[in-house]
Amino acid sequence: AQSVTQLGSHVSVSEGALVLLRCNYSSSVPPYLFWYVQYPNQGLQLLLKYTTGATLVKGINGFEAEFKKSETSFHLTKPSAHMSDAAEYFCAVSSDRGSTLGRLYFGRGTQLTVWP
Amino acid sequence: DVKVTQSSRYLVKRTGEKVFLECVQDMDHENMFWYRQDPGLGLRLIYFSYDVKMKEKGDIPEGYSVSREKKERFSLILESASTNQTSMYLCASSFNLAATNEKLFFGSGTQLSVL
Repeated sequence: AQSVTQLGSHVSVSEGALVLLRCNYSSSVPPYLFWYVQYPNQGLQLLLKYTTGATLVKGINGFEAEFKKSETSFHLTKPSAHMSDAAEYFCAVSSDRGSTLGRLYFGRGTQLTVWP
Repeated sequence: DVKVTQSSRYLVKRTGEKVFLECVQDMDHENMFWYRQDPGLGLRLIYFSYDVKMKEKGDIPEGYSVSREKKERFSLILESASTNQTSMYLCASSFNLAATNEKLFFGSGTQLSVL
């Protein structure tokens, strides 16, 4: 079975401050990990993903995430927040084997607010 | 770019009505998904399909059915709408089942209100 826990349903930062959104996963097989972003009144779009290889993954809009197997974590960071980063962020996990083949499991989401 | 189009952005229905939510993708994707999004609960998978006329139950299929008669179209059906089905419904597609490391492409969502 696979699952995702996002710590903190709401995160607020000032413009220019570090953004850290936390994600921990549970998976009995090697995971594929994703971060999606949802802007108001829009569907989700992919920020970045980890499949294999380098554990530090860079995505769009200056975001990056690091896969830490020992901590079962995939936290999302951005060095300097911008007002346009205000959105809801979802961490997700999938796998290429087992009964959950083809399925993506999402966390409950973290709403990021950026103050001027 | 891949486009996933959901037929309605907002929909208001009455309890007991049969409701159809339509989704069309234009990139010949094999997989299509219906999710339900509720505040604080994230996205929950209702049904998905990996081929025409094929369907698989997700985590919350009760009260829903689906239809996939053509590769590009995946319909979600609420047989008898109830107030607890008021939600945002998101359709998504992806290339094929084997490529589970590939991203999903999402539609903009249908906000359904059942009165």
